Amino acid sequence: GENVEQHPSTLSVQEGDSAVIKCTYSDSASNYFPWYKQELGKRPQLIIDIRSNVGEKKDQRIAVTLNKTAKHFSLHITETQPEDSAVYFCAARNNAGNMLTFGGGTRLMVKP
Amino acid sequence: DTAVSQTPKYLVTQMGNDKSIKCEQNLGHDTMYWYKQDSKKFLKIMFSYNNKELIINETVPNRFSPKSPDKAHLNLHINSLELGDSAVYFCASSRGDSNYGYTFGSGTRLTVV
Repeated sequence: GENVEQHPSTLSVQEGDSAVIKCTYSDSASNYFPWYKQELGKRPQLIIDIRSNVGEKKDQRIAVTLNKTAKHFSLHITETQPEDSAVYFCAARNNAGNMLTFGGGTRLMVKP
Repeated sequence: DTAVSQTPKYLVTQMGNDKSIKCEQNLGHDTMYWYKQDSKKFLKIMFSYNNKELIINETVPNRFSPKSPDKAHLNLHINSLELGDSAVYFCASSRGDSNYGYTFGSGTRLTVV
């Protein structure tokens, strides 16, 4: 089955700096890669996703890149703000099943 | 209107008891899921279910069983609760194809004492 590794597990940045979270996946058939943000005590919420026919996608301060050859994808947050502080999860899914496999999460702390 | 709703939000119970968590979605999604989030925040799939197929993660003890009275509901029943079952349980739903993400419920924090 699919295995998703996520790094780092914790990340502390100064407000205004950029943050990068990286994930690798094992199943070359995976073709959908969403990112979720989970604030303390809340549900995970989808913030951006990318499909395998695209190498990069951007939405305001958030961007995701995908390298299918290397089987890794990354989340980039620019101009970080204190409200970006949360746990971020990457995930992967393939056509054979409809389940997302999640990475272990990254706790992002943005210091004012 | 809440898209995916779970009840109860908090559940405290004694070891050995049997309990159920309910989940309902009003999005018209074809597939529903249960995930367990442990104290280290890791999200682990337990079940995936649509009206045709139940997929069970083989690591889930058979004390856990999903029950779906209809397409909009997927309840989680747990028998003989153990201390290690304490976690937050999230229900989620998605469209039937593979190119869309999940919508999660608000979670149920289960504490077994």
